Amino acid sequence: EDQVTQSPEALRLQEGESSSLNCSYTVSGLRGLFWYRQDPGKGPEFLFTLYSAGEEKEKERLKATLTKKESFLHITAPKPEDSATYLCAGISGGYQKVTFGIGTKLQVIP
Amino acid sequence: EAGVTQFPSHSVIEKGQTVTLRCDPISGHDNLYWYRRVMGKEIKFLLHFVKESKQDESGMPNNRFLAERTGGTYSTLKVQPAELEDSGVYFCASSQVPGGYTFGSGTRLTVV
Repeated sequence: EDQVTQSPEALRLQEGESSSLNCSYTVSGLRGLFWYRQDPGKGPEFLFTLYSAGEEKEKERLKATLTKKESFLHITAPKPEDSATYLCAGISGGYQKVTFGIGTKLQVIP
Repeated sequence: EAGVTQFPSHSVIEKGQTVTLRCDPISGHDNLYWYRRVMGKEIKFLLHFVKESKQDESGMPNNRFLAERTGGTYSTLKVQPAELEDSGVYFCASSQVPGGYTFGSGTRLTVV
């Protein structure tokens, strides 16, 4: 069975304190990996798609990287507005099915 | 561009009752997906429409769940009769090409 595991489940950072979130996956026929951000009471908001090992993508203070077994979301000098749940998901089956991890709830304290 | 819209945002019903959730995808998006998050668990795939046809419904929990997509536009997800374990947040997503999802804000369903 396809599985996506995220760690840690919760992370508390001081403003400016950089860190990384981990996503390990076992998804047969993996075609790509999504990262989403989810705010309370809202649906997941797309951040990145990574397709091959070694690929990196950046958006503001976020950088996502992919290896053959895991992906990392690096947060550089986070701000309180970066507080959210970050979801990792694997795409398989002709992009028709997405397997989500449980998410990492990030809290950035001023 | 209007996003994916879901109605209602919250629903509280009694066990045994029927509830219908609605999703209006982004105009022109042929792909429509339903997902569900039960408290403390991952978001799980329910089914995928391409236009009005069900492409994959392997995630539907049981035959108490019925999804339809009228004319390839909006979709409904009916739960009849609802059970306590059906409580959760139901998300709809749409895309022009498979995989490039835009999610709605979800419907929080509570069965009491």
